[in-house]
Amino acid sequence: EADIYQTPRYLVIGTGKKITLECSQTMGHDKMYWYQQDPGMELHLIHYSYGVNSTEKGDLSSESTVSRIRTEHFPLTLESARPSHTSQYLCASSGGQETYEQYFGPGTRLTVT
Amino acid sequence: GEDVEQSLFLSVREGDSSVINCTYTDSSSTYLYWYKQEPGAGLQLLTYIFSNMDMKQDQRLTVLLNKKDKHLSLRIADTQTGDSAIYFCAEAETGRRALTFGSGTRLQVQP
Repeated sequence: EADIYQTPRYLVIGTGKKITLECSQTMGHDKMYWYQQDPGMELHLIHYSYGVNSTEKGDLSSESTVSRIRTEHFPLTLESARPSHTSQYLCASSGGQETYEQYFGPGTRLTVT
Repeated sequence: GEDVEQSLFLSVREGDSSVINCTYTDSSSTYLYWYKQEPGAGLQLLTYIFSNMDMKQDQRLTVLLNKKDKHLSLRIADTQTGDSAIYFCAEAETGRRALTFGSGTRLQVQP
């Protein structure tokens, strides 16, 4: 059982608000990821980190930003939420040196009104 | 670039076997994975197979890999209503930053 947590699970917020989605893992994994999942189910990588103070943008351009100050914590921030940010956000981590499997949190369902 | 493709939908009756298929284009893939996503939840790792294997069995799950055709399948024996979910295949390549996921197959199990 993977120990990776996301809060909040659901968030409804108005346009223009600043929000931070939290992601924490207790497995000591060095690699962490953020995915955006659209209603058509497909996953899009928006950010990843290979360790503390390392962050990179993913395949899908996103207005969100991330930070990695501690190994276990990888928060995602939107400075000014818009309706186009409405989506499911999934956090994952990976520590395998050979097998690369990722473990996912339960997700945050964000709705911007 | 890398591409992973899956059919979008599969419907089976309870007790039957389900076979979910996946094709990939990257011949450098080292590991291939199957994930399950239930409504409102994250992805759960079901199983994975190393690229030098042809088959892997884990209880009701059987993974078959045809490396020549770049085809991966997941067979679920004695499918139950609790198996209804979206199933994603994914591939990993040494040195790449992240897994490449397919678009998911929605499995519907009818009683």
